[in-house]
Amino acid sequence: LAKTTQPISMDSYEGQEVNITCSHNNIATNDYITWYQQFPSQGPRFIIQGYKTKVTNEVASLFIPADRKSSTLSLPRVSLSDTAVYYCLVGARDDKIIFGKGTRLHILP
Amino acid sequence: GAVVSQHPSRVICKSGTSVKIECRSLDFQATTMFWYRQFPKQSLMLMATSNEGSKATYEQGVEKDKFLINHASLTLSTLTVTSAHPEDSSFYICSARDSTASTDTQYFGPGTRLTVL
Repeated sequence: LAKTTQPISMDSYEGQEVNITCSHNNIATNDYITWYQQFPSQGPRFIIQGYKTKVTNEVASLFIPADRKSSTLSLPRVSLSDTAVYYCLVGARDDKIIFGKGTRLHILP
Repeated sequence: GAVVSQHPSRVICKSGTSVKIECRSLDFQATTMFWYRQFPKQSLMLMATSNEGSKATYEQGVEKDKFLINHASLTLSTLTVTSAHPEDSSFYICSARDSTASTDTQYFGPGTRLTVL
């Protein structure tokens, strides 16, 4: 299981674009990159998953460079309700998920 | 996206009693489910992997006789905390793997808050 490193916390303002970068230098060939969001006293919520290049859905974009040693979650035009902990996870299909500390994102008015 | 439910959402029990938590995948079949525990301000800690039709696999340091896991069907896994003590008070979260999805994604339940008095 590739270890991930992401900032402990980030602050941003409403309406801004927020980019959270995750480092995973030891990512394996068959590993996917998945991001989850967690609010207090709730289970994590799947945001986006990718393998390479760029993936976009209705809530976020995921940018993965060619060497796949890092990835960036991009949240467009954040609101106060985006204040949460964001987890970057790397693993293959049959791997169990081991959570790191995540990034505490705090959106300010 | 896929939905995973947990029941109950909150439970308070006396020390020494047992508590059962259910995890259900509502719109997909899950041969594999996972159980996590989360303490305040901390990340999720994997407790065990639950496989339908076979014994659960426990992480190091998790007592299998205390945390009984049963994966009775492709949509239901249960976690029973036996002889609960105050230190077992925590937020318990399950997840289910949707193996039919192209990306083999895990979906999480809403969690169960256990308080042992």
